[in-house]
Amino acid sequence: QKEVEQNSGPLSVPEGAIASLNCTYSDRVSQSFFWYRQYSGKSPELIMSIYSNGDKEDGRFTAQLNKASQYVSLLIRDSQPSDSATYLCAVVFTGGGNKLTFGTGTQLKVEL
Amino acid sequence: GAGVSQSPRYKVAKRGQDVALRCDPISGHVSLFWYQQALGQGPEFLTYFQNEAQLDKSGLPSDRFFAERPEGSVSTLKIQRTQQEDSAVYLCASSFEGTGEAFFGQGTRLTVV
Repeated sequence: QKEVEQNSGPLSVPEGAIASLNCTYSDRVSQSFFWYRQYSGKSPELIMSIYSNGDKEDGRFTAQLNKASQYVSLLIRDSQPSDSATYLCAVVFTGGGNKLTFGTGTQLKVEL
Repeated sequence: GAGVSQSPRYKVAKRGQDVALRCDPISGHVSLFWYQQALGQGPEFLTYFQNEAQLDKSGLPSDRFFAERPEGSVSTLKIQRTQQEDSAVYLCASSFEGTGEAFFGQGTRLTVV
């Protein structure tokens, strides 16, 4: 079982809709959670970080964390074609230094 | 520069050749990481430095892989006797101490032929 799991997709949503990306992680003590966006052929770009249970909003992005359920999600409101990319969930597990453990990523396609 | 800089961007190596990949982190970032990303996969951790100290090298796949950061700034990842399975994108990331918010360089795409 992988430590960080994501549905590889593709997830297709129409322009203007809400895109919901999900991530689950293994039963290890974890301290911080991140969402990275990666365009094809480019490197990962940090878009959200979340450290405690609940919601964190930044512009059109909302990250949600539920440690009891070992679940972290990313909502993208008013999706745009420029949001089409692979979204990587990453976790820093306690005792692992600050290294990121990534999921395989979910490919998002926003269609006109 | 303002971001993490990696060179070369692309490297083609013949099987058995040694390669060296360079990373110049964001100024002031204490932590430096190397990741390997295969096509269609998320980045996989290779090794971690805090200043010049290599604190974790548990992700290095074999003893052919070696990394250093002698002065706590620029880092080099060296791969000896390259094999085809080493073909991947090698990503370098840096962060302030105590945070997992890592910023990635453009990566080096290594192709072993």
